[in-house]
Amino acid sequence: AQSVTQLGSHVSVSEGALVLLRCNYSSSVPPYLFWYVQYPNQGLQLLLKYTSAATLVKGINGFEAEFKKSETSFHLTKPSAHMSDAAEYFCAVSKIQGAQKLVFGQGTRLTINP
Amino acid sequence: SQTIHQWPATLVQPVGSPLSLECTVEGTSNPNLYWYRQAAGRGLQLLFYSVGIGQISSEVPQNLSASRPQDRQFILSSKKLLLSDSGFYLCAWETGGYTEAFFGQGTRLTVV
Repeated sequence: AQSVTQLGSHVSVSEGALVLLRCNYSSSVPPYLFWYVQYPNQGLQLLLKYTSAATLVKGINGFEAEFKKSETSFHLTKPSAHMSDAAEYFCAVSKIQGAQKLVFGQGTRLTINP
Repeated sequence: SQTIHQWPATLVQPVGSPLSLECTVEGTSNPNLYWYRQAAGRGLQLLFYSVGIGQISSEVPQNLSASRPQDRQFILSSKKLLLSDSGFYLCAWETGGYTEAFFGQGTRLTVV
């Protein structure tokens, strides 16, 4: 069975500071890994995805994530936070066969302080 | 281009009343369809998924059911709502493999 753990339900950083959102996964088979962002009362939007190509994945809005198999991690980073980055972020994992059946983490709410 | 429509955006229903939420996808064929529920502080829980017309898989036992009467239509229903059914319901679709999942704008359901 697959699962995802996001460490920290709330993260607060200052504008211009580094953003680091942590995600660890467990999967019995090579996984697909995703980061989604959700703005208030909206659906989810894909930030980036890992599909067994490059381990460092670049996404939209300056975000990137690195797949580390030895640590079973897929942490999301952004060098310099912007006020518009305030949102909820979800890490997700799916199997590489059949329907995706995304399994999501609990989410991390990112707050940006001016 | 592909789009996903989900309605209504908000809904307030009394306990014991029925529920029908509808999701339709345009611009693609034979998508995999999903219903997720997001409760406050609890992330997204997969409720149902469907890989074809009439094919429904339930991930968790609950008071809800799902149907797929047409290729691009996915309906979430309940005969009698419970207070615990309150939450934000999201429909999603994807075509499998490396592709991303696309989400609707969600329905906020409040059962009173």
